[in-house]
Formats: sequence, structure tokens, C-alpha cells
Amino acid sequence: ETGVTQSPTHLIKTRGQQVTLRCSSQSGHNTVSWYQQALGQGPQFIFQYYREEENGRGNFPPRFSGLQFPNYSSELNVNALELDDSALYLCASSLVGAITQYFGPGTRLTVL
Amino acid sequence: GDSVTQMEGPVTLSEEAFLTINCTYTATGYPSLFWYVQYPGEGLQLLLKATKADDKGSNKGFEATYRKETTSFHLEKGSVQVSDSAVYFCALSDEEETSGSRLTFGEGTQLTVNP
Repeated sequence: ETGVTQSPTHLIKTRGQQVTLRCSSQSGHNTVSWYQQALGQGPQFIFQYYREEENGRGNFPPRFSGLQFPNYSSELNVNALELDDSALYLCASSLVGAITQYFGPGTRLTVL
Repeated sequence: GDSVTQMEGPVTLSEEAFLTINCTYTATGYPSLFWYVQYPGEGLQLLLKATKADDKGSNKGFEATYRKETTSFHLEKGSVQVSDSAVYFCALSDEEETSGSRLTFGEGTQLTVNP
């Protein structure tokens, strides 16, 4: 059984740029959630995707957007990057209706 | 809204010491409760969970009991090892919905175990 994978591992961008992060969900999982973890803090929920539509969103501005594809993989897009967007971005997958989410290793984004 | 409060860290223990990490929560419904562990440079791993009051989750010698009356889910281990050194996160999920649930995390507690 393949776990949750994310790419790239690390990324460095400059303020104002745009970035796309990718996630492949665990085999059979049809729901993907994205979290932002700033240094020294707990993860914060960004949004969740199910059936290729956003289904629940945390307190993040519209420049954070996402996609889910028919194979359940997902992308997180962030426009107009700000210094405070520097964080570890975690993707988690689950089955619809299940309470347990399984996390990938994360993508470390640094905004200069 | 929902929130989770963990005891402040960091926590430093000697090998074979007893561990307690306190966690309390605020939620409007009847959440499920989790402990996740994060090793350096890695993502989150589910350690244990409990879905209703008085349930006890356990794994790898760690235990936590869902206490509705005190809104708590304290993590315990009788004898810690150096390999337990990591950051521990308490989390809750809101009510189950057809689309799954979002997790609300505490700030995390850094545990260091010395030989």
C-alpha cells in the first residue's frame, strides 16, 4: 500500500511569485486536506477536496487555491507569495466519512 | 470555534521516566481526539485516537483516555525511550460528515529523552 507522497520536498521562492505543491493520496483514499505548519506551531487547516471540489476551508485568503484530480491527487496553489507563507505544507488523505487522516512528509516552502 | 490547548514545552526526561503531556479541548459537538507525533524533518504520524467518551487509545506503550467531563485527552507513557524524542500534537476532528473531517491541532510539545 502506497502512502501519501508530496513534491517537491523543498522549495525557495521570492515574494510575489506563485507556487504549486503536489500531493498523491494514499491508495483508495478519495479525500485530500491541506495544512500549513509554521515553524514551532501546530498545523492549520487550509482546505479539503472531495470529488474534485473544495469542501471546507479554513481561515486562509483566496490566493490559496487548490485542485483535485480524478485519480484523487491534488495541488495547492499560492499566488502573490508573502514572507509569512514560509512554512511546511502538509497534505493528508482519508476515506470519505472516515475520521482518520494520513499525512505526507510535507513540502518546506521558503519565501525570501 | 474548536480549539486544543497543550502543556507548554519543551519537556526533557531521562530514559525510563514516566511521561505525561496534558491536552484539553473546546468543541461544540462530540469530537474525536487524536495524538500525532512528528519526528525531525518528517510529516505527522498518527499515534493513537479515541472516538467517544471514556475510550482509551493506545499504541507503542502510549495511552490516552477521552475524558468528556474534564474535556481532556492527556498522553502518558510509563517508560520513555530515547527514540520517543519528537514533537507531539494533540488534535480533534469536528463532527463526521460525508466529506470527512478537518483536524484542529494544539501547538505541539517537544519531548527530548536523554540516555
